[in-house]
Amino acid sequence: SYELTQPPSVSVSPGQTASISCSGDKLEKKYTFWYQQRPGQSPLLVMYQDDKRPSGIPERFSGSNSGNSATLTISGTQPMDAADYYCQTWDSGTAIFGGGTSLTVL
Amino acid sequence: QVQLVQSGSELRKPGASVKVSCKASGYTFTSHVMSWVRQAPGQGLEWIGWINVNTGTPTFAQGFTGRFVFSVDTSVATAYLQISSLKTEDTAVYYCARVTDTAMITDYWGQGTLVTVSS
Repeated sequence: SYELTQPPSVSVSPGQTASISCSGDKLEKKYTFWYQQRPGQSPLLVMYQDDKRPSGIPERFSGSNSGNSATLTISGTQPMDAADYYCQTWDSGTAIFGGGTSLTVL
Repeated sequence: QVQLVQSGSELRKPGASVKVSCKASGYTFTSHVMSWVRQAPGQGLEWIGWINVNTGTPTFAQGFTGRFVFSVDTSVATAYLQISSLKTEDTAVYYCARVTDTAMITDYWGQGTLVTVSS
C-alpha cells in the first residue's frame, strides 16, 4: 500500500523559513494536500493540489511537489504557525495521510 | 458558511456500538462526498473511508471493513458513522470532512467527536 513519510519534528526561529517535507513513491504524479492542526482543534486545509492556497490562508504558506517529495514552506514563520502539519494524497481512490510533523517555533 | 457539526462525546464499553452524527449546512449536501477520519490520542490522522452522499455508496480503507458503517439522511443533511463491536483501540476523535468529489479536496472538517471505549 502507498505510504507518505514526514519528519516527526521541525524547529524554526520566528521570522525564518520552515520547510516540511513529505515523501512517497513518484509523489509528483499525484496531488498533495496539507493540513494544519493546532492542539485541540480540527485539521485546517492550508494547501491543495500541491501549490494552491485556500482562501484565508496567508501568503507566507507555499507548496511544491517534485519527484518523490512534496514540500510545505512557511516564509517568515510566526509563533501562531506552531502546530502539527499533515500531508495527504489519494491513491486508487483512498486517502493516504503522512504521519505528521510537529512544527516548533522558538 | 459551510458548517459540519458533530454529535457529542461518547463513552462505551468494549463490544458495544456507537453512532456519530455530522450535520451539514451552508451548501448542497448531496453535491459533495463525506469522508470520515479518526485520530487516536496523541497520534496522527487515519482515513476510515467516505460515502457518496448522492448515491449512498461507501468506500472503506483497509482495516475498516466489517465493523464500520456509513449512512446519510439527506432529508436532514446529516451523515452518520456507526461502529459496532467496539474495541479499546477504537478510542479516538472521529472527524467528518467534506470532499469535493471532482477535485478531491477535503476542505471543511467537523469539530470532532471523542469516542472512548473503556470497561
